[in-house]
Amino acid sequence: NAGVMQNPRHLVRRRGQEARLRCSPMKGHSHVYWYRQLPEEGLKFMVYLQKENIIDESGMPKERFSAEFPKEGPSILRIQQVVRGDSAAYFCASSPPIRVGGYGYTFGSGTRLTVV
Amino acid sequence: QQQVKQSPQSLIVQKGGISIINCAYENTAFDYFPWYQQFPGKGPALLIAIRPDVSEKKEGRFTISFNKSAKQFSLHIMDSQPGDSATYFCAASNTGGGNKLTFGTGTQLKVEL
Repeated sequence: NAGVMQNPRHLVRRRGQEARLRCSPMKGHSHVYWYRQLPEEGLKFMVYLQKENIIDESGMPKERFSAEFPKEGPSILRIQQVVRGDSAAYFCASSPPIRVGGYGYTFGSGTRLTVV
Repeated sequence: QQQVKQSPQSLIVQKGGISIINCAYENTAFDYFPWYQQFPGKGPALLIAIRPDVSEKKEGRFTISFNKSAKQFSLHIMDSQPGDSATYFCAASNTGGGNKLTFGTGTQLKVEL
């Protein structure tokens, strides 16, 4: 049973380009969460999704950022027109539904985005 | 009110010693308190977690102590080993509100020989 798979592991984008980060949750996990980690800081919540639904996007910047978790395929975090301040590690986590004890997340290894 | 305050920022412990990391929260709706361990270049890994109906939980060398009235919880690592050198994050969530985790700022632990 593979863990949470994120790709790419490293992504370099020039200012103004688009960044697409992918996350495949663990098998059987229907909940996906995206977090951002700036250097020397803790993780900040961005968005919580279930299949085809955004449940909570209170941590997402209002512009340029979007996320989806389609019926088929991985969850995608999309950053349009990247700026240097978007450089960070982006972590995806998944969990089963809370009703079956899904409190604890399993995190992926992250995508390190560098904007040059 | 959503903050989780973590201390110390960094910690150096001798091999075999006890590492103690403290966290405090304000939101009384939080009802799940996990600790995560993160090695450089890796994602956080769930270490141990506690719900507020118990005051202590132990798993191997790792113990969470929880003080509901003080809104504080701490991680104790007994017999600390060099392999425990990592960054540790406390977190809290309101599981009835979507299970969004609020993280502390992290503690860099170094265990010296």
